[in-house]
Amino acid sequence: KAGVTQTPRYLIKTRGQQVTLSCSPISGHRSVSWYQQTPGQGLQFLFEYFSETQRNKGNFPGRFSGRQFSNSRSEMNVSTLELGDSALYLCASSLGIWTAEAFFGQGTRLTVV
Amino acid sequence: KNEVEQSPQNLTAQEGEFITINCSYSVGISALHWLQQHPGGGIVSLFMLSSGKKKHGRLIATINIQEKHSSLHITASHPRDSAVYICAVLRRGAAGNKLTFGGGTRVLVKP
Repeated sequence: KAGVTQTPRYLIKTRGQQVTLSCSPISGHRSVSWYQQTPGQGLQFLFEYFSETQRNKGNFPGRFSGRQFSNSRSEMNVSTLELGDSALYLCASSLGIWTAEAFFGQGTRLTVV
Repeated sequence: KNEVEQSPQNLTAQEGEFITINCSYSVGISALHWLQQHPGGGIVSLFMLSSGKKKHGRLIATINIQEKHSSLHITASHPRDSAVYICAVLRRGAAGNKLTFGGGTRVLVKP
């Protein structure tokens, strides 16, 4: 069974640009959640989608958005990038948000210069 | 004060030693998760606990809901156990679920 796939693995962007990250969950999983990990703040929850609907959102500005498609694949978008957005972005898929085991992708490392 | 505190922040052990990592939280929760993150970023979910104790191989996780405390134990530690261990607590509310992470414990097991 294929795992969670995140693309791209690495990305370098300049301030002010926007970026879109992709996450393909494990087949059959309808919940996809996104996380930001930085050395200073650790892991923080961004948002969670279930059946194409955003169910929960963390404390991030509106520049961070996401969506989920009918095949459960999810994308997150960050607009007007700032240096502080440099981080490892992880997604996880599960049958339901944290009600069962969650499976993580390898992450996308975003560097904003 | 953070809602989820882990201790110690760093831990070095010799191969074969027994390791304990602690997680304390200050809010009511519906579940607690232990995660393992290896260098390079990959995260693996180890346990989900809402009460009692769970065991998987050399790993044991316990939780005391009344004391708002959980521990992760590694018996007969091995260099491949070297990783960052993170606890995360889940709260369910009318506004949705909230997931909060501890700062992680970096474990190094020397051969």
